Amino acid sequence: DQQVKQNSPSLSVQEGRISILNCDYTNSMFDYFLWYKKYPAEGPTFLISISSIKDKNEDGRFTVFLNKSAKHLSLHIVPSQPGDSAVYFCAASPSGNTGKLIFGQGTTLQVKP
Amino acid sequence: DAGVIQSPRHEVTEMGQEVTLRCKPISGHDYLFWYRQTMMRGLELLIYFNNNVPIDDSGMPEDRFSAKMPNASFSTLKIQPSEPRDSAVYFCASSPGVASQYFGPGTRLLVL
Repeated sequence: DQQVKQNSPSLSVQEGRISILNCDYTNSMFDYFLWYKKYPAEGPTFLISISSIKDKNEDGRFTVFLNKSAKHLSLHIVPSQPGDSAVYFCAASPSGNTGKLIFGQGTTLQVKP
Repeated sequence: DAGVIQSPRHEVTEMGQEVTLRCKPISGHDYLFWYRQTMMRGLELLIYFNNNVPIDDSGMPEDRFSAKMPNASFSTLKIQPSEPRDSAVYFCASSPGVASQYFGPGTRLLVL
């Protein structure tokens, strides 16, 4: 049973435009959410996170939005750059647990020059 | 810091053989995680340790998989006997105790 779902396997956008990556979850006990970025032949690296007490967190070109009632979060990248081309994983942390993360399947983003 | 170190980076073996994957976490990190990445299921958590003690191994596929952490600087994931369906990229990650985890470069395993 996939508790964290990324329903779009891939996304292609033009350089300079906005990229929106989506993630849905089923467990209302998740209280912390993260996005990771992965380049080929490398491990995932942490990108940005958000606590369940917030609905938005911004870091430069990256903004994560959380809609708890819909159990949905999204990552916005503005403006998109070719170097942003990578696989993006959404992850969620169960409350009361400081270690475990549940990851989605990943979305491959391609930013075209 | 060198980050999380995994070896080997690539492994090709024949069905039925034993495979051992190795991981050195970041010094001072209390948590160590083993993941498997596949196209269909993304990143699956196999097992994780806290202070060298296994906390949750519910993700381990079956008895053919085992993991150990004999000390704070070393962990192994063993598959015995290996099967073609075990082919995947295996990641090790460590964490200082907050949600953010630091991943190694992964081991790409191919079982023929």
